[in-house]
Amino acid sequence: GQNIDQPTEMTATEGAIVQINCTYQTSGFNGLFWYQQHAGEAPTFLSYNVLDGLEEKGRFSSFLSRSKGYSYLLLKELQMKDSASYLCAPANQAGTALIFGKGTTLSVSS
Amino acid sequence: KAGVTQTPRYLIKTRGQQVTLSCSPISGHRSVSWYQQTPGQGLQFLFEYFSETQRNKGNFPGRFSGRQFSNSRSEMNVSTLELGDSALYLCASSLDAGTGYEQYFGPGTRLTVT
Repeated sequence: GQNIDQPTEMTATEGAIVQINCTYQTSGFNGLFWYQQHAGEAPTFLSYNVLDGLEEKGRFSSFLSRSKGYSYLLLKELQMKDSASYLCAPANQAGTALIFGKGTTLSVSS
Repeated sequence: KAGVTQTPRYLIKTRGQQVTLSCSPISGHRSVSWYQQTPGQGLQFLFEYFSETQRNKGNFPGRFSGRQFSNSRSEMNVSTLELGDSALYLCASSLDAGTGYEQYFGPGTRLTVT
């Protein structure tokens, strides 16, 4: 079957670094998406990892280990505006995200 | 350029009725995907259309259907509404289907079934 597991909630302070983990079990895997969703808004694309390793994009980085079915999103120099839900979603062989994790709600405090 | 637009933004229907939601993708985008989001189940994939063809379908009953027109605009229809269909329905467009193309989400249609 297919399963995605990520922590429900995380808290951190401004300026800190936080790592949001995602483990998945899925068939026909092509890559993994990360999305950010602020309360009351639509999700926005953060990253898509196909190859193993770390991809850095500004303050956000995403890591993938295909053999372990594991990914994480690393947020550096946290800002209050980073308070949001972060969703991971493995993509099928066509690169389409058919299932999403329930999301990790990150709260950043000053 | 204009983003993904969805109409209507809010809708209230009663059980047993049917509803049609509309999505206009970003100009030039040919892939449109539909999602249902609820607090309990999170974001769930409904279906994906590319060049008027359904390419992927999620695990939803046949009451949920969709289509895509030649201009890439898409509609989804839910027949015989149930209380559990109350949700935020999101559509997302991308240049191409799958292969990790960045998806742009619309603001969603909030459907309430009473």
